[in-house]
Amino acid sequence: GAVVSQHPSRVICKSGTSVKIECRSLDFQATTMFWYRQFPKKSLMLMATSNEGSKATYEQGVEKDKFLINHASLTLSTLTVTSAHPEDSSFYICSASPTGTGALHFGNGTRLTVT
Amino acid sequence: DQQVKQNSPSLSVQEGRISILNCDYTNSMFDYFLWYKKYPAEGPTFLISISSIKDKNEDGRFTVFLNKSAKHLSLHIVPSQPGDSAVYFCAASPEGMGAQKLVFGQGTRLTINP
Repeated sequence: GAVVSQHPSRVICKSGTSVKIECRSLDFQATTMFWYRQFPKKSLMLMATSNEGSKATYEQGVEKDKFLINHASLTLSTLTVTSAHPEDSSFYICSASPTGTGALHFGNGTRLTVT
Repeated sequence: DQQVKQNSPSLSVQEGRISILNCDYTNSMFDYFLWYKKYPAEGPTFLISISSIKDKNEDGRFTVFLNKSAKHLSLHIVPSQPGDSAVYFCAASPEGMGAQKLVFGQGTRLTINP
C-alpha cells in the first residue's frame, strides 16, 4: 500500500537553530502534501498545504516565515522550522494521498524538542 | 473554534465488550467523516469513513454511525480487542469523498482491559 515516510522521527535542537523535516511519498506521486502539528492532548492542527511547484498555502495563524515549506518534487515536501524556540516543540506530521484516490496517508511524525 | 470535538479524552473498556467513541461537529458544510487510529510515535492510520448521504457504514468489527440532525457521529468497535488500544481521531471535510484537507478532533485514548 501507499507509504509516506517522514524523517527524522525525533530531533532535539537548541533555541535559535533551524530544523528541516522531510516528507516523502515512497510509491506514489503527490502534487499536494499536508503538514500538521499536534500539541499534547490536542487535535491535529493543519498548518499548511504544500503544493508541488508552487507556494504553500498556510492556515490562519501559521507564520509562513517561520515554517518554510518546499515541495520541489512530486515525492518530497520539506518543512523547515526556522529560528526554533521552545514553544515550537511539538509533534509534526505530514500526509499525502495518491492522486485521485482520496486516501490520505500519514507519515509517522517528527517529535521536535527545542531546548 | 473547535469545529470537530471529541469530548471524552479517554475511554476504558473490557475486552470483548463494545467500545463507543463519540464525535460532534459544528460545521454543517462537512459532508465526509473519517475515523483514524493512532499508536504512539506513529502517524494516524485510516480506519473507516462515512459520507453524509449515509447514516451507517460497517467494516468488520467497526461501525460508524452518523446523525446529521444532531451533528454527531460515533464509532462502535465490537468485540473490543487489546490491539484496539490506541488514540482515535475523528475527522471531517466539506470536500466529499476525495477529501484531503481534514479537520480533526482532539482524539480519544481507548484502553482495552484484558
